[in-house]
Amino acid sequence: DIQMTQSPASLSASLGETVTIECRASEDIYNGLAWYQQKPGKSPQLLIYNANSLHTGVPSRFSGSGSGTQYSLKINSLQSEDVASYFCQQYYDYPFTFGSGTKLEIK
Amino acid sequence: EIQLQESGPGLVKPSQSLSLTCSVTGYTITSGYDWSWIRKFPGNKMEWMGYISYSGSTNYNPSLKSRISITRDTSKNQFFLQLNSVTTEDTATYYCARQAYYFDYWGQGVMVTVSS
Repeated sequence: DIQMTQSPASLSASLGETVTIECRASEDIYNGLAWYQQKPGKSPQLLIYNANSLHTGVPSRFSGSGSGTQYSLKINSLQSEDVASYFCQQYYDYPFTFGSGTKLEIK
Repeated sequence: EIQLQESGPGLVKPSQSLSLTCSVTGYTITSGYDWSWIRKFPGNKMEWMGYISYSGSTNYNPSLKSRISITRDTSKNQFFLQLNSVTTEDTATYYCARQAYYFDYWGQGVMVTVSS
């Protein structure tokens, strides 16, 4: 299985700041990567697919980048509604696997 | 609007079978895509369990292959999860989702506890 190592596990930032979350795959996943946001008590919501494509309706302050084994999610101009957990998922190969998640809080 | 909704018992005894239903509205499951089950364990680890495709074929996580079955009822636009011989380690929140490699629509999730 492809292992997804996500960092940091938690993150505290101020409103308006830019934050970056990273995922490293145990092998090249050729941009087969998605990012999700999950708020407490809610289901995950797709943010980014194909490593850098913004899902419909997702604010443009979210962006994804990376290639090979290294990928990142950047949130510009942090808003209060961005408080959530974020996790990555590789879909280059079965079984699909997920990162361990990053909990984002407002400082 | 596409919506998925899980249903099923919230408590299952060890060694028994876990059975969940995912009801889909706003999209016909035979029209396209794969239809997956995913679970999130206490501690937040997530595991893709498997899918049933629009054509009815299935693909399971090898870690579960001997215990899992995903089936469907096309007349009700539902698909199902059965997980046999459960243990306390199967305690998790179970989600159904539409899969286009990534998961673009998710159900709200159902928490299942395995306990005697």
